[in-house]
Amino acid sequence: GIQVEQSPPDLILQEGANSTLRCNFSDSVNNLQWFHQNPWGQLINLFYIPSGTKQNGRLSATTVATERYSLLYISSSQTTDSGVYFCAVERLGSYGKLTFGQGTILTVHP
Amino acid sequence: NAGVMQNPRHLVRRRGQEARLRCSPMKGHSHVYWYRQLPEEGLKFMVYLQKENIIDESGMPKERFSAEFPKEGPSILRIQQVVRGDSAAYFCASSPLSGQINQPQHFGDGTRLSIL
Repeated sequence: GIQVEQSPPDLILQEGANSTLRCNFSDSVNNLQWFHQNPWGQLINLFYIPSGTKQNGRLSATTVATERYSLLYISSSQTTDSGVYFCAVERLGSYGKLTFGQGTILTVHP
Repeated sequence: NAGVMQNPRHLVRRRGQEARLRCSPMKGHSHVYWYRQLPEEGLKFMVYLQKENIIDESGMPKERFSAEFPKEGPSILRIQQVVRGDSAAYFCASSPLSGQINQPQHFGDGTRLSIL
């Protein structure tokens, strides 16, 4: 099956700092989503981004499908950004089945 | 709320009992996916269903687990004779059409299953 690797596994920031999270995948995909899992366990859909660049407030994401990676940028981080960030991909031909990475645990200190 | 609805949010069962988890997809969505998140891990695909059909159950344990998505009503994930290792968060997602361009999966808030 497709492999999804996220880095770094853990990230500790001071409030106001910027960060970049990376997701590498081993095969061609037709779906890539970034999620934030908050401390209550809810999965918040951040971006649907199989290719290209999108921005939503302080967050933006870029996927370079030909090189099989995606980046999530968080600017001016806030304590509420803390949680786990997951990348999930749907391999071509896998009928909507998402494969998740292991996540990046982000802690933002005030 | 037009999102994916899962219930219950928390479920406690004793070893050997049955657990039933329910998922109502978003309005207009006919495809349902179940994922399991063990403690300190990422989510793992379990099963993909359309109305009255199981499309892919490659991630489902062979014994004790079953899933259905009837013509009417929510999708049900059923775990028989639960064991401690079944303790996990179970998430349901829905989409309007498998593989359709520009259609993400939308996730519910999950059911936290605890086995005593």
